[in-house]
Amino acid sequence: EAEVAQSPRYKITEKSQAVAFWCDPISGHATLYWYRQILGQGPELLVQFQDESVVDDSQLPKDRFSAERLKGVDSTLKIQPAELGDSAMYLCASSPRTGHYGYTFGSGTRLTVV
Amino acid sequence: DAKTTQPTSMDCAEGRAANLPCNHSTISGNEYVYWYRQIHSQGPQYIIHGLKNNETNEMASLIITEDRKSSTLILPHATLRDTAVYYCIIFSGGYNKLIFGAGTRLAVHP
Repeated sequence: EAEVAQSPRYKITEKSQAVAFWCDPISGHATLYWYRQILGQGPELLVQFQDESVVDDSQLPKDRFSAERLKGVDSTLKIQPAELGDSAMYLCASSPRTGHYGYTFGSGTRLTVV
Repeated sequence: DAKTTQPTSMDCAEGRAANLPCNHSTISGNEYVYWYRQIHSQGPQYIIHGLKNNETNEMASLIITEDRKSSTLILPHATLRDTAVYYCIIFSGGYNKLIFGAGTRLAVHP
């Protein structure tokens, strides 16, 4: 079964450092999502891509977060500088296109900022 | 998208049916009911979705009331591996967001 690949699986970084997460969606999936999940809460959407274009980044803290999907395939989410409150699970998901298709999520990157 | 109300937690004996309720009284005509689950330390997993008819797949059944104000996810024979947080989400598709609430924590016990 096709999977959404994410790396690294775990990341520990010091506050004020830069950190990046990578996501490779299922082949052919045009829509890609980045979510953040704080422990004990449901996932929160940060950014949504349709191919290489950002469709929604209204919840992305743009002063420190950036996301790109240059060729409309894999994607990178970056935080610079990291803050203690950024400690969370960062999840990537993809779907074939917008509409009523179930999203497929990756296993996530667990970020700890110390 | 409409909001949902789910119990915080439920438990179920292994081998029995798990019935997870969800209230969505403000759902509108073009909004679907989606269910996802999240097993500890994994990403959410899509289970099933429906508009107004009952749906069944290899994982679960979804029963939507006639007025569409509530629904129930049924796991017919729960196993220990079904222990997870279950999210009921109302989603209209398109470029709208899939918004997760707190979900129901289901514990399946021997």
